Amino acid sequence: EIEMTQSPATLSVSPGERATLSCRASQSITTYLAWYQQKPGQAPRLLLYGASIRATGIPARFSGSGSGTEFTLTINSLQSEDFAVYYCQQYDNWPRTFGQGTKVEIK
Amino acid sequence: QFRLQESGPGLVKPSETLSLTCTVSGGSISGYYWSWIRQPPGKGLEWIGYIYYSGTTTYNPSLKSRVTISVDTSKNHFSLRLDSVTAADTAVYYCVRGGYRFDDWGQGNLVTVSS
Repeated sequence: EIEMTQSPATLSVSPGERATLSCRASQSITTYLAWYQQKPGQAPRLLLYGASIRATGIPARFSGSGSGTEFTLTINSLQSEDFAVYYCQQYDNWPRTFGQGTKVEIK
Repeated sequence: QFRLQESGPGLVKPSETLSLTCTVSGGSISGYYWSWIRQPPGKGLEWIGYIYYSGTTTYNPSLKSRVTISVDTSKNHFSLRLDSVTAADTAVYYCVRGGYRFDDWGQGNLVTVSS
């Protein structure tokens, strides 16, 4: 099983600033990585797949990079609606696995 | 735009079977992979397994001995069965379109395992 590790667990950011979230895989997953956003009481929403491809309707302030074992989600100019928990997920191998999440909170 | 809706009991007794159904609207279930993912209260996400519309399944090894996912293309729905549940199976259960990345999610169904 591929283990996904996200850091930090919590990120405190002021509105308008940039947030940088990290995700590490226990073995290479090339670019078979997705990012999700989850707000309280809601289902997760797909943000990015293929490590850097934005899903339909996702604003350009969300961007992703990385390959192999190291990945980054960047949120530029944080808006109020961006404060949430973010999960990474690998789909290179079975079983599909998620990171433990990074909570982006208002500073 | 696919819409997914879970249905099933919110309370299951220990050692019994959890059964949920996901009704898909806005598109055909054919041609896609469909997954179940769960999230214990306050915790992260766990992929349970998926089914292809043709009936092929793949399960998480951690649950494989207790899980069955089935599909009914005539009713445009798919189902989850989890046997011999314990309190550790208490979670919000999501039905999801996708077997690789997960594109569309249901709102979730909280299932509590308790006597």
